[in-house]
Amino acid sequence: AQTVTQSQPEMSVQEAETVTLSCTYDTSENNYYLFWYKQPPSRQMILVIRQEAYKQQNATENRFSVNFQKAAKSFSLKISDSQLGDTAMYFCAFMNLRGQNFVFGPGTRLSVLP
Amino acid sequence: DVKVTQSSRYLVKRTGEKVFLECVQDMDHENMFWYRQDPGLGLRLIYFSYDVKMKEKGDIPEGYSVSREKKERFSLILESASTNQTSMYLCASSLEGAQIGIYGYTFGSGTRLTVV
Repeated sequence: AQTVTQSQPEMSVQEAETVTLSCTYDTSENNYYLFWYKQPPSRQMILVIRQEAYKQQNATENRFSVNFQKAAKSFSLKISDSQLGDTAMYFCAFMNLRGQNFVFGPGTRLSVLP
Repeated sequence: DVKVTQSSRYLVKRTGEKVFLECVQDMDHENMFWYRQDPGLGLRLIYFSYDVKMKEKGDIPEGYSVSREKKERFSLILESASTNQTSMYLCASSLEGAQIGIYGYTFGSGTRLTVV
């Protein structure tokens, strides 16, 4: 069974600075998908970024980028130029190619400070 | 945009009551899911459905059942609510197959259920 670990329950960062959220996972599969979701106080889960395991190039979406290390089974999220609106819970998630189920990590609560 | 709507944002129910949580999606998605979210545990899958009248147990189905009579609607039922079912419940939907890996899931805004 797959597991996802987020070792940082809470983090904070000053506005405009950069922060990295950690995620590690365990799987025996070779191809899969990885996601970061954001859950702001509104509670709406929002897809931030996704990575396909068979692609070596790290995904980027504007201020959000990932550092995907397949051998180490690590999938960290970097947020550049942090904004107050980035304050949220961030969940790392794993999905196999069959797409039957997400396996979520426990989440990291990020606070962006003015 | 795909929209997943959960009928209640907050609910307070008494122990032993039968509770219905409703979820409706408007983009003809095949797959629908019910998750439970608890601090420090992330999201855990309760039940999911790939088609009308079809259901599959997730990781924590005990004490819950589901109903999918129409493609757009997926209901979670707590047969006899207990205090340990106090939690946030999230509904999600998705396309099928390889498209899930591209688009992920679309989530509702959650129902915070308190059982007293």
